[in-house]
Amino acid sequence: AQSVTQLGSHVSVSEGALVLLRCNYSSSVPPYLFWYVQYPNQGLQLLLKYTTGATLVKGINGFEAEFKKSETSFHLTKPSAHMSDAAEYFCAVSEDSGYSTLTFGKGTMLLVSP
Amino acid sequence: DAGITQSPRHKVTETGTPVTLRCHQTENHRYMYWYRQDPGHGLRLIHYSYGVKDTDKGEVSDGYSVSRSKTEDFLLTLESATSSQTSVYFCAISARQGANEQFFGPGTRLTVL
Repeated sequence: AQSVTQLGSHVSVSEGALVLLRCNYSSSVPPYLFWYVQYPNQGLQLLLKYTTGATLVKGINGFEAEFKKSETSFHLTKPSAHMSDAAEYFCAVSEDSGYSTLTFGKGTMLLVSP
Repeated sequence: DAGITQSPRHKVTETGTPVTLRCHQTENHRYMYWYRQDPGHGLRLIHYSYGVKDTDKGEVSDGYSVSRSKTEDFLLTLESATSSQTSVYFCAISARQGANEQFFGPGTRLTVL
């Protein structure tokens, strides 16, 4: 069974600082990995995804994530935080096997201070 | 934005009453999903559909049923609402499973008193 662990329910950074949101996954087969963002009172929006190929994936709004199979990780980073990045971020995993559904982590709330 | 609407957007109901939430899509995607979102739990899958009249249970399906009679509509019914079903409910769609991302609706906030 697949699962996702997001370390830290809340992460606080200053504007301009590096953003690092951690995600570790468990999967019995090669995974597909996703990061979604949720702004207040809205649905989820895809930031980026890893399926196959290049392990460093670039997404929208300057975010990127690196798939590290040996560490079973898919951490999300952004070099310089903006106030507009304040939101909740969800890591999710799926598999290329039959009717595989998407399993989400519990989310990390990113707080950005001026 | 993917064409997904949810209705109602907000609902307050009483314990023991049946409630139906509707998800409507204009993308003609095969797969549709219902999730609930609760603080500290992230999103949890309730039920999903892989075609008209084809549905399956998710992680937290007890107390919920679904129906899909048309490609574009996926209904979630709480047979007898309980306070533990107070939550925000999201519908999502995808063209395929696995590598394909899901697109989410705006959510329905349900309060069961």
